[in-house]
Amino acid sequence: DTGVSQNPRHKITKRGQNVTFRCDPISEHNRLYWYRQTLGQGPEFLTYFQNEAQLEKSRLLSDRFSAERPKGSFSTLEIQRTEQGDSAMYLCASSPNRGGLADTQYFGPGTRLTVL
Amino acid sequence: AQSVTQLGSHVSVSEGALVLLRCNYSSSVPPYLFWYVQYPNQGLQLLLKYTSAATLVKGINGFEAEFKKSETSFHLTKPSAHMSDAAEYFCAVIRSGGSYIPTFGRGTSLIVHP
Repeated sequence: DTGVSQNPRHKITKRGQNVTFRCDPISEHNRLYWYRQTLGQGPEFLTYFQNEAQLEKSRLLSDRFSAERPKGSFSTLEIQRTEQGDSAMYLCASSPNRGGLADTQYFGPGTRLTVL
Repeated sequence: AQSVTQLGSHVSVSEGALVLLRCNYSSSVPPYLFWYVQYPNQGLQLLLKYTSAATLVKGINGFEAEFKKSETSFHLTKPSAHMSDAAEYFCAVIRSGGSYIPTFGRGTSLIVHP
């Protein structure tokens, strides 16, 4: 069990550019979540996959945001035409499918995005 | 709807003193409740969770929390603070019968003085 990994750890970009983040969940965890965390706030849910199916999306996820999990393993989160308001920590988490709502979510270290 | 309120954005204690971090929840049905810790530049790590079994839940690093339905609370405690406990702590709720998506509080920063 190597934990959830995220790449890159830091990303600085100019407004209007596109960025893509990658998350590798714990092996055999079939649920994968993306969150956004800004300074002084708790994580806010963005989207959730079960295997390759994207089951829920937050209203926070505007049409500039897209997430994929093509083979039910790693996932990517893309932000198009970045805005300064997109600056945040983007967290990924995974959980096993033991059938319960209380399944523990294991978080990665996050990708810190700074939009200049 | 479900929500979590963490009272106090910062809590300061001396090393060896009692730690008490407050969390109140709002849920129309019995909830699942969680406490997570976040160290600087790291992701969140689960400390403990309440899943409708015992109301007093013991977690890692000597932390525990008690579910009090009458007070809609799930406060986190530790008898004796260590310097290594300095971190950000988040309370979260999932509504039973709902989706798998937790709602997090805004967090409480624990400061431990020597």
